[in-house]
Amino acid sequence: ETGVTQSPTHLIKTRGQQVTLRCSSQSGHNTVSWYQQALGQGPQFIFQYYREEENGRGNFPPRFSGLQFPNYSSELNVNALELDDSALYLCASSLGPGLAGSLYNEQFFGPGTRLTVL
Amino acid sequence: AQKVTQAQTEISVVEKEDVTLDCVYETRDTTYYLFWYKQPPSGELVFLIRRNSFDEQNEISGRYSWNFQKSTSSFNFTITASQVVDSAVYFCALSGQGGSEKLVFGKGTKLTVNP
Repeated sequence: ETGVTQSPTHLIKTRGQQVTLRCSSQSGHNTVSWYQQALGQGPQFIFQYYREEENGRGNFPPRFSGLQFPNYSSELNVNALELDDSALYLCASSLGPGLAGSLYNEQFFGPGTRLTVL
Repeated sequence: AQKVTQAQTEISVVEKEDVTLDCVYETRDTTYYLFWYKQPPSGELVFLIRRNSFDEQNEISGRYSWNFQKSTSSFNFTITASQVVDSAVYFCALSGQGGSEKLVFGKGTKLTVNP
């Protein structure tokens, strides 16, 4: 069974650019959640995708957008990058969209993509 | 609103000491889950434990133990006989029926175990 994978591992962009981060969910999982972890902080929920539809969103501006594909992999897109977007971006997959972390919907995290905006 | 507070930003101990990491949570939900994750320098979040709001039994797993007290909204984590490999950032997290799709994390406690 393959775990959650993310690409790229590291990325450096400049302010104003756009970036796409990718996540492959664990086999059998149809739900993907994205989190942003700034330096010295805990992860913050960006949004969740379930069967290719957005299913919940945190307090992030519209320039943070996402996609989920029929194979349940997902992309996080960030437009007009700002310096404060520098962070570790974590993807988590789960069997379903229910109560996060219940036995059925445990979120399994990938290794993250570290984004640096200069 | 849901909130998790980890008041200890950094803790430094000497190997073999016991250490307790504190976690206080806020939620209006009756059904919720509490978690502890470990994040080593590599960055990946390692799941340690999940407890649901209806199970207040304390749990022990090897050198790790957890104390869940609903009366004080706390879910503290104790490492007994700490080892250098325990050095990491530890996060407490909460999920509940309101905003059920997400985990709400505390800011983390950085634990350094010195030889």
